[in-house]
Amino acid sequence: GAVVSQHPSWVICKSGTSVKIECRSLDFQATTMFWYRQFPKQSLMLMATSNEGSKATYEQGVEKDKFLINHASLTLSTLTVTSAHPEDSSFYICSARDRDRGLDNEQFFGPGTRLTVL
Amino acid sequence: AQSVTQLGSHVSVSEGALVLLRCNYSSSVPPYLFWYVQYPNQGLQLLLKYTSAATLVKGINGFEAEFKKSETSFHLTKPSAHMSDAAEYFCAVSDQYDMRFGAGTRLTVKP
Repeated sequence: GAVVSQHPSWVICKSGTSVKIECRSLDFQATTMFWYRQFPKQSLMLMATSNEGSKATYEQGVEKDKFLINHASLTLSTLTVTSAHPEDSSFYICSARDRDRGLDNEQFFGPGTRLTVL
Repeated sequence: AQSVTQLGSHVSVSEGALVLLRCNYSSSVPPYLFWYVQYPNQGLQLLLKYTSAATLVKGINGFEAEFKKSETSFHLTKPSAHMSDAAEYFCAVSDQYDMRFGAGTRLTVKP
């Protein structure tokens, strides 16, 4: 149980285009989903926290107009990188908390999406 | 604010040797602590977690970690390293709001 999927697993796009990444909780309902970015040989950096039906909360330094997050249902959150540039190339990982799992604060992670902007 | 510090960005051990990866935390409330492993181009796999039950936590693949409040530590150990243990390991601390990761430790296992 507690499986999170991401789609696509990798994407290559041209500079200036927009890319949408989906994050789904497959067997549980997620009240909160998180988006992380990981540059090569670095740790995961939290970009934003999204709660179903409300606006996402972005970390300091993350442009909310560039990284659009939508959490329209308890099983789906999307991250859209708008007007992507080569510096946005990174590994994007989402995670989710199980609404019914209690208070152990565990997050379940997706497999990640590798974005390469040419 | 909560945080974790991983001491040693790179640890190298011989196959069969003890693995010790260090993690110290800072938290104003009783912490929830986690160890994750990441293989290249993959997501995170949970090794184990501490949620204020037993201080010695056993995880998957023979790993375990001991929560020591007096030392604010949660070090990860494995008695005997396997080649398949070579990966990146992350310590993390979580509260009701979010999860924060350490910088990671790359474990290399020499034959």
